[in-house]
Amino acid sequence: KQEVTQIPAALSVPEGENLVLNCSFTDSAIYNLQWFRQDPGKGLTSLLLIQSSQREQTSGRLNASLDKSSGRSTLYIAASQPGDSATYLCAADSNYQLIWGAGTKLIIKP
Amino acid sequence: DGGITQSPKYLFRKEGQNVTLSCEQNLNHDAMYWYRQDPGQGLRLIYYSQIVNDFQKGDIAEGYSVSREKKESFPLTVTSAQKNPTAFYLCASSLTSGNTGELFFGEGSRLTVL
Repeated sequence: KQEVTQIPAALSVPEGENLVLNCSFTDSAIYNLQWFRQDPGKGLTSLLLIQSSQREQTSGRLNASLDKSSGRSTLYIAASQPGDSATYLCAADSNYQLIWGAGTKLIIKP
Repeated sequence: DGGITQSPKYLFRKEGQNVTLSCEQNLNHDAMYWYRQDPGQGLRLIYYSQIVNDFQKGDIAEGYSVSREKKESFPLTVTSAQKNPTAFYLCASSLTSGNTGELFFGEGSRLTVL
């Protein structure tokens, strides 16, 4: 059964730093891996979707990588800003269902 | 603007009452989903629908019911049989059925049982 883990559960860094968020999955047979952002009390916004045949995707200051053999995906945020503060969730599309991590709450300190 | 609209944003319910959460999309998406979010946990799938007049149970369907009479609408009823209904409920859609493509979410509905 697919399990998705995000560690750490919370992260606080000063503004301007580059940072990496981690997402691990137990079954490498995934169709895609998606990253989302959630602001407090709001719905989720899709950030990046990596197909299983891809190694990475980029959007602006965000870069997501996928290594199926090691069961890992990372979300790299360059030059962090206070507006990046949110909870970041990853989800693995496995067997026609999305399996979700619990998220990493990111705080960027001005 | 295209998107997903959930209502109400906040809802209070007395024990023993059924409540219905609305989800409407104008993205012309085939697939729609209902998730439940609790603090410190990943999203859990309640029900999903890949086509009009058809829907399937997710991981935690007990105490919930849905309908899909129109492509645009996928309402969720939280029944009195749901033992712990206080949660944040999220509706989502994707363009196609089968493997999940990019998901689009509504703003969520927070249900509190008094």
